[in-house]
Amino acid sequence: SQTIHQWPATLVQPVGSPLSLECTVEGTSNPNLYWYRQAAGRGLQLLFYSVGIGQISSEVPQNLSASRPQDRQFILSSKKLLLSDSGFYLCAWSEPGTGGLRRYGYTFGSGTRLTVV
Amino acid sequence: QKEVEQNSGPLSVPEGAIASLNCTYSDRGSQSFFWYRQYSGKSPELIMFIYSNGDKEDGRFTAQLNKASQYVSLLIRDSQPSDSATYLCAVERLAFGKGNQVVVIP
Repeated sequence: SQTIHQWPATLVQPVGSPLSLECTVEGTSNPNLYWYRQAAGRGLQLLFYSVGIGQISSEVPQNLSASRPQDRQFILSSKKLLLSDSGFYLCAWSEPGTGGLRRYGYTFGSGTRLTVV
Repeated sequence: QKEVEQNSGPLSVPEGAIASLNCTYSDRGSQSFFWYRQYSGKSPELIMFIYSNGDKEDGRFTAQLNKASQYVSLLIRDSQPSDSATYLCAVERLAFGKGNQVVVIP
């Protein structure tokens, strides 16, 4: 069966510090991978998605970046965090291709709660 | 731009009653629709998906889709305190509504 791992669970970082969040998926090949952010009292905002190694699409311009160095690894990074980067960060995966997403939706990781102070 | 609207405020229902949630979407070409449940502090989990007009039932949950009117709804029958959560509507290809909080009162 497929599993998705995301870490760390919580993180408190000072303004201006770097960020690296990691997500890995097991039990599937060539998954679509996603990074979402959920700010307090707000909906899920798609940040990045990837359909393959090295293929990253950005939905919202900001000081975050994403990378996919391996098929089942997705990393969210920042060189300098802002206060507005605080939120609940969720990694998700879906079956490859549009058909997989249409039929089965996403499966989310357990999330990282980031507080920038 | 795909938009998904969930406009209702928090919904309080007595235990055993039916909770009804609605969601409208802007993209007439959307084919797949999902309902996620999110407990406070936790990540969303998929509870229903639907892509054909009409009703789809799974246990105490029923999803209803009307593509002509561009809305999808979720009914929770015999509501239990464990159903207290935020319910997110999602339309294929990445768009989520902001969610509706459901509180089931024992």
